[in-house]
Amino acid sequence: DVKVTQSSRYLVKRTGEKVFLECVQDMDHENMFWYRQDPGLGLRLIYFSYDVKMKEKGDIPEGYSVSREKKERFSLILESASTNQTSMYLCASSGGANVLTFGAGSRLTVL
Amino acid sequence: AQRVTQPEKLLSVFKGAPVELKCNYSYSGSPELFWYVQYSRQRLQLLLRHISRESIKGFTADLNKGETSFHLKKPFAQEEDSAMYYCALYGNNRLAFGKGNQVVVIP
Repeated sequence: DVKVTQSSRYLVKRTGEKVFLECVQDMDHENMFWYRQDPGLGLRLIYFSYDVKMKEKGDIPEGYSVSREKKERFSLILESASTNQTSMYLCASSGGANVLTFGAGSRLTVL
Repeated sequence: AQRVTQPEKLLSVFKGAPVELKCNYSYSGSPELFWYVQYSRQRLQLLLRHISRESIKGFTADLNKGETSFHLKKPFAQEEDSAMYYCALYGNNRLAFGKGNQVVVIP
């Protein structure tokens, strides 16, 4: 069973802080994704990655960056957190079948 | 760019009644459609995909390219079907989601 692990379930940060959200998958998947999930807005793609050191912007990349130094790890970075980035963040990975396996989510609150 | 539309936000049905969740899409290529489900306090997970053509937990969905739709149906709702349902389209190397439907099954 594919496991996607997000290191933090709940975080509370202050405006302007730098925030790191970590995601690790254990099935050697090439593709990894970061979404944010908001009520009434569904899931919106922030960034995704095909391979190590590769990254592509999704639909809402502003205010975010990512890092993929190793195949199993995909990090989402908020350089200077703002209150409108309060959200549930979901990491996912996929192999060749276009089916995504999701992590449990990281709920970020920015005060 | 692809787009997925789920018109209803909240759907309340009585146990044993039919459920239909509507999903329409726009995409210039050949679409690959999915339904994902998120039960309370659980991870988002795949429910079914159109290329499998199978019924999962009593749910079915048929891709209608003429109407650009992929509606999810179940003839008799159960209480355990209460969840958030998302329609999704894979294209341009990414999975795009609709805004989701909250389904509440009333005992």
